[in-house]
Amino acid sequence: GQQLNQSPQSMFIQEGEDVSMNCTSSSIFNTWLWYKQDPGEGPVLLIALYKAGELTSNGRLTAQFGITRKDSFLNISASIPSDVGIYFCAGQLSGNTPLVFGKGTRLSVIA
Amino acid sequence: NAGVTQTPKFQVLKTGQSMTLQCAQDMNHEYMSWYRQDPGMGLRLIHYSVGAGITDQGEVPNGYNVSRSTTEDFPLRLLSAAPSQTSVYFCASREARRSGANVLTFGAGSRLTVL
Repeated sequence: GQQLNQSPQSMFIQEGEDVSMNCTSSSIFNTWLWYKQDPGEGPVLLIALYKAGELTSNGRLTAQFGITRKDSFLNISASIPSDVGIYFCAGQLSGNTPLVFGKGTRLSVIA
Repeated sequence: NAGVTQTPKFQVLKTGQSMTLQCAQDMNHEYMSWYRQDPGMGLRLIHYSVGAGITDQGEVPNGYNVSRSTTEDFPLRLLSAAPSQTSVYFCASREARRSGANVLTFGAGSRLTVL
């Protein structure tokens, strides 16, 4: 089946630093999504991308849909303590197919 | 609206016991699914349903049964629990559009421990 490689697995950063994480796939997707999971909660959508090359921002978060349709990137600028959590990428080939999730990037922010 | 509601939040079972994890959504979503989350493994799809009366297997369906008798409910059944089924389970739903936005909304999770 389809697999997503998400990296890095974990990150420890200082408050105020920028963060970058990415996802790559062996096959193409037509939708890329980025979710964040706070401890003890379910994942919550951060950004959705629907077009190759698309660059979308949500506050301090910026995500891009790679032009090859096999990768996506998420950047967080000026990190703050509440950015702590697990970030998941997810890809979908079509509206009828299930989402495929990466294994997550665990972010820790040191104040 | 409550969104996606999962019960129970926590459950401890003995090996061989059976139980049902409940999931209900009030958004009239056609698509519902169950994931399990294990350390280092991310979210893995167990079963999903594109509408009432229709279910299909995901990546890790063994040991789990589902049914979809109504649009609102999608219970996950463990007929004979095993320690390997110790995990956090998430139910998620979305509209079943054929294209465009297909964003999953997740419940808060059910933490299951099998002794």
